[in-house]
Amino acid sequence: AQRVTQPEKLLSVFKGAPVELKCNYSYSGSPELFWYVQYSRQRLQLLLRHISRESIKGFTADLNKGETSFHLKKPFAQEEDSAMYYCALSGSRDDKIIFGKGTRLHILP
Amino acid sequence: EAGVAQSPRYKIIEKRQSVAFWCNPISGHATLYWYQQILGQGPKLLIQFQNNGVVDDSQLPKDRFSAERLKGVDSTLKIQPAKLEDSAVYLCASSSLAFSYEQYFGPGTRLTVT
Repeated sequence: AQRVTQPEKLLSVFKGAPVELKCNYSYSGSPELFWYVQYSRQRLQLLLRHISRESIKGFTADLNKGETSFHLKKPFAQEEDSAMYYCALSGSRDDKIIFGKGTRLHILP
Repeated sequence: EAGVAQSPRYKIIEKRQSVAFWCNPISGHATLYWYQQILGQGPKLLIQFQNNGVVDDSQLPKDRFSAERLKGVDSTLKIQPAKLEDSAVYLCASSSLAFSYEQYFGPGTRLTVT
């Protein structure tokens, strides 16, 4: 069964400290993985996808097929990173996106 | 470009009543999605349209939920009759055919069923 697991409901990190939001997935095949973010009072939006291998707002995510993980990382947290983060997967370009339950990241001053 | 528009933003109804939500996607986006997001959960796809045809409605509770996108643009999602467990945020999103993974979300409609 296709499933996305985000083990942490809430992650509190001090400003300037490294951030790692965990995501594990279950999928038979080669899925596409994404991170979506929702800032306070804003809409849900795409942050990054694994295929593009880019860094967005200092965040990167590496797909580890052996561990079926797609953790989101940032070396130095900023207060504006506080938001709700959702890991998601899709089986193919035209397949539906399945979201995890989300992790609330709270950056402490 | 203008974003995805949804109305109403909030709705409170009693159980067994009916309710309808409206969505206007980004101009030119062929694909439109309706999601249900229950408190503490991620968005769950209810139905996906491509132009005015249904691509996936496998998770739509068809005994009470219906959706249409008659002219391939705006869409409405209806619940009749509502149950307490339908309390959730209903999100509409749209995407272009070429980049279906990049979905643009509306602000959502928060439904409370009492």
